[in-house]
Amino acid sequence: NAGVTQTPKFQVLKTGQSMTLQCAQDMNHEYMSWYRQDPGMGLRLIHYSVGAGITDQGEVPNGYNVSRSTTEDFPLRLLSAAPSQTSVYFCASSSFDATEAFFGQGTRLTVV
Amino acid sequence: EDQVTQSPEALRLQEGESSSLNCSYTVSGLRGLFWYRQDPGKGPEFLFTLYSAGEEKEKERLKATLTKKESFLHITAPKPEDSATYLCAVQAGGSGGGADGLTFGKGTHLIIQP
Repeated sequence: NAGVTQTPKFQVLKTGQSMTLQCAQDMNHEYMSWYRQDPGMGLRLIHYSVGAGITDQGEVPNGYNVSRSTTEDFPLRLLSAAPSQTSVYFCASSSFDATEAFFGQGTRLTVV
Repeated sequence: EDQVTQSPEALRLQEGESSSLNCSYTVSGLRGLFWYRQDPGKGPEFLFTLYSAGEEKEKERLKATLTKKESFLHITAPKPEDSATYLCAVQAGGSGGGADGLTFGKGTHLIIQP
């Protein structure tokens, strides 16, 4: 049972490049979400999904797109990377009747 | 707007020296308050969920308590392996384990010296 798997673990992008951060879970969880973690800021919610085909914005959605075509996968897309998007990104999942969310190991992204 | 404030930002203790971490929160309709542990370079690891004032939960040397305005994470006789950043988060409304949206505090960085 792998839990929540994020790829890649590290990535360096140039300003203006696009990329997709992958997140997959094998626990059949309905809910999935993306957070970014910056020094001194704590974890902040970017986007979340309560099921396949359903997504919504969190606290800091600008510059990011998401889609949820399957229960297992919830990719995060950066359309035109900016240095302000340098951060560590975490994906989380939980079931609707759960008492906890499970987090992936994170993707450290640097935009130069 | 939901807010979570954790104190202190950092805490250094000697092995065996008990202490408490504080999490103050303001939220419209608390569904759950969560404690997570985060080691360097890793994702948050779940510790506890508390739902109502007066509730307490324990796990090894850790005990979490909840009032209407704050939560405490008590650490009894800590060991060096308890060194980590401890995160507090709240969920307002919604359902499930919080992956539809948690508001996190900035964390308390705990160091236990041998």
